Amino acid sequence: NAGVMQNPRHLVRRRGQEARLRCSPMKGHSHVYWYRQLPEEGLKFMVYLQKENIIDESGMPKERFSAEFPKEGPSILRIQQVVRGDSAAYFCASSPDSTEAFFGQGTRLTVV
Amino acid sequence: GNSVTQMEGPVTLSEEAFLTINCTYTATGYPSLFWYVQYPGEGLQLLLKATKADDKGSNKGFEATYRKETTSFHLEKGSVQVSDSAVYFCALKLSSGYSTLTFGKGTMLLVSP
Repeated sequence: NAGVMQNPRHLVRRRGQEARLRCSPMKGHSHVYWYRQLPEEGLKFMVYLQKENIIDESGMPKERFSAEFPKEGPSILRIQQVVRGDSAAYFCASSPDSTEAFFGQGTRLTVV
Repeated sequence: GNSVTQMEGPVTLSEEAFLTINCTYTATGYPSLFWYVQYPGEGLQLLLKATKADDKGSNKGFEATYRKETTSFHLEKGSVQVSDSAVYFCALKLSSGYSTLTFGKGTMLLVSP
């Protein structure tokens, strides 16, 4: 059973471009969480999704950020018009219910 | 609200030394408590957990006891190895209803030979 798969592992974008981060949860997991880790900081919750539904997006910036978890395919975190302050590691976690979460290896976004 | 406070790092130890990383929490309900470890360039791995007061989580020689009276979940290891060098995150998750993880800022551990 493969773990949580995130891609790409590293992503470089110029200011103003779009960043798309993908997360494939573990098999049988229908709950997905996205967290952001800024340099020298802990992980901050961004959004919690179940298949086709956003359950909690209280940690998402109001503008430029969106997330989806379609019926088929991976969960996508989308950042439009990236700025330098978006540079961070973005981690996805999945769980079969709302208990223990398993983390992916993260996508490290660098905005230049 | 919910929050987790960890001791600041880096913690620098020699191999075979005793390790303690302090973690205290505040929570509006009854949390489960976790320690995650992040090796350089990697994601987070669950190290151990405890779901109720007085429970002791343990794994790979690491231990932590859920102390409700002091709202603490300190991580300990009797003899660290160079391979334990990593960042350690304490986290909580409320047990009732749905809840997401609340993390501390992390504590870097550096173990030298």
